[in-house]
Amino acid sequence: DAGVIQSPRHEVTEMGQEVTLRCKPISGHDYLFWYRQTMMRGLELLIYFNNNVPIDDSGMPEDRFSAKMPNASFSTLKIQPSEPRDSAVYFCASGTGGTPYEQYFGPGTRLTVT
Amino acid sequence: AQSVTQLGSHVSVSEGALVLLRCNYSSSVPPYLFWYVQYPNQGLQLLLKYTSAATLVKGINGFEAEFKKSETSFHLTKPSAHMSDAAEYFCEWGLSFGAGTTVTVRA
Repeated sequence: DAGVIQSPRHEVTEMGQEVTLRCKPISGHDYLFWYRQTMMRGLELLIYFNNNVPIDDSGMPEDRFSAKMPNASFSTLKIQPSEPRDSAVYFCASGTGGTPYEQYFGPGTRLTVT
Repeated sequence: AQSVTQLGSHVSVSEGALVLLRCNYSSSVPPYLFWYVQYPNQGLQLLLKYTSAATLVKGINGFEAEFKKSETSFHLTKPSAHMSDAAEYFCEWGLSFGAGTTVTVRA
């Protein structure tokens, strides 16, 4: 199994630009999670999906952030417009309902907004 | 809301010494608890999980954790630290992660 795949691995953009992060979960997993990790705030859950449906988006910082899961094998996290305080490592993780919240993480996308 | 607390943001041990990382969970008995490890510039990797089948759980890389309801704890241990154990460790319950504990191993 290839594991969770995230792209790009690194993204550098200017303030005000749109950023799209992509995630391919492990085949057969019906949960997908998006996290943000910073030194100051640690690991924060942004949103998670079950069977492609958003279940809890209370962690999404503000309306500039949006996430979609059009099918079972693909999800995006979009930031528009981006701000320097969005700089962080964004992780996607997937899991199954067999053991809820047992998660398999991707390698992350390091986002730098200048 | 459920939460976990990791005591100690940084632990330094000598190679070959016991590694003990502390995790306490809030109030009611949780159905599932997890420990993850994160190496530099990588995602989190599942170390072990508690699913109420057994209170002593063995994981990868020689780690184990014991669920103690009376102490609301799920501490992670390894009898003999190896240099490769240097990483950050996270306890999780119900999508709530602890703040993490960084382990340094001294030669």
